[in-house]
Amino acid sequence: ILNVEQSPQSLHVQEGDSTNFTCSFPSSNFYALHWYRWETAKSPEALFVMTLNGDEKKKGRISATLNTKEGYSYLYIKGSQPEDSATYLCALETGTASKLTFGTGTRLQVTL
Amino acid sequence: DAGVIQSPRHEVTEMGQEVTLRCKPISGHDYLFWYRQTMMRGLELLIYFNNNVPIDDSGMPEDRFSAKMPNASFSTLKIQPSEPRDSAVYFCASTNYAQAFFGQGTRLTVV
Repeated sequence: ILNVEQSPQSLHVQEGDSTNFTCSFPSSNFYALHWYRWETAKSPEALFVMTLNGDEKKKGRISATLNTKEGYSYLYIKGSQPEDSATYLCALETGTASKLTFGTGTRLQVTL
Repeated sequence: DAGVIQSPRHEVTEMGQEVTLRCKPISGHDYLFWYRQTMMRGLELLIYFNNNVPIDDSGMPEDRFSAKMPNASFSTLKIQPSEPRDSAVYFCASTNYAQAFFGQGTRLTVV
């Protein structure tokens, strides 16, 4: 059973704060690491897919890095806004079946 | 494309009843996944299909759960008989190999 862990479980920051959270995974059988953003009552929405050690992806104020050798990925949000409030999920893809094993997510709440 | 479509969005049923959840994947996607989301365990993979064939059903919790994919554009997840502990949000997702696209989920409540 693959163990994909995310920390912290929840996070409460104020508007304008920058924040980051962690996804850790077993480095063997690695194929890709996915980050999803999941707003309440909506479906998870893909943010990034990363495959190479040292990968760094950016989308607006959100960026992510990947270390496949030590088995972790960081997601950063610069200057958090209330609309960033959501649960951020990482998922490990192994093999070629696009089968994703999800972490339990980090729930981010940004207040004014 | 309208994305992955699930129905119903909400289902409330009595314990012991049969429940059928439906999913229409994005056209052209070869893989379809069924996930269950609970507070305790997060998103769990139940079963996935490749070209309509079930590949891995090791996540299906019990024999009460079954899934079919009769064609490339339709899949069902059936629970018979349903129990209160089956209450959760069930997601269907399909993939184009680059990323998974999720439906909006079916919130199931078994009373």
